Amino acid sequence: ETGVTQSPTHLIKTRGQQVTLRCSSQSGHNTVSWYQQALGQGPQFIFQYYREEENGRGNFPPRFSGLQFPNYSSELNVNALELDDSALYLCASSLMPWEGQDNEQFFGPGTRLTVL
Amino acid sequence: AQSVSQHNHHVILSEAASLELGCNYSYGGTVNLFWYVQYPGQHLQLLLKYFSGDPLVKGIKGFEAEFIKSKFSFNLRKPSVQWSDTAEYFCAVNARYGNKLVFGAGTILRVKS
Repeated sequence: ETGVTQSPTHLIKTRGQQVTLRCSSQSGHNTVSWYQQALGQGPQFIFQYYREEENGRGNFPPRFSGLQFPNYSSELNVNALELDDSALYLCASSLMPWEGQDNEQFFGPGTRLTVL
Repeated sequence: AQSVSQHNHHVILSEAASLELGCNYSYGGTVNLFWYVQYPGQHLQLLLKYFSGDPLVKGIKGFEAEFIKSKFSFNLRKPSVQWSDTAEYFCAVNARYGNKLVFGAGTILRVKS
């Protein structure tokens, strides 16, 4: 176990709806990264939050948005859900490389989102 | 842009066979390299990592990987696999001070008992 938790574990939504996924980072970590893992593929980087600010974004549309809170937990919001958004959503917590530790990312168990 | 290529999507081995999973990456700068494993029903776990130093790195459960800079490769090896090694294996890379991991498509390993 990594100490990274995610909720909910499973979620079913319909096209056009909105969803919020949550992640609690490992104690002592101030950086959260979100990844989308579609079936049969490796995880794809969505974005990263460092000390409550977005710190890099992958090739995902603006309807994917996020937040990080003062306790470093994070939310991923997806608006106007599409069928292709069905995937496992992973969050990972870490420190930044200049903070004296290798920037290894520790992953949570993921949220399985199904869009019908 | 960074990319990672894993050579085989499915590998089937018998117990005690040797394993080598290929991984090549594309990136011009200094990188960190990782192998993650995802056992059925479990979350991604780090097997091993390379940041600098000895290019032969040893990880958990008897796995090792060798970084060959000239070939942009980071192949995963295990001399003798067990049934419990059945899982999906992902190679990943990030830039030395980068903020995102780039993953390969994964290799599903099935070990027959």
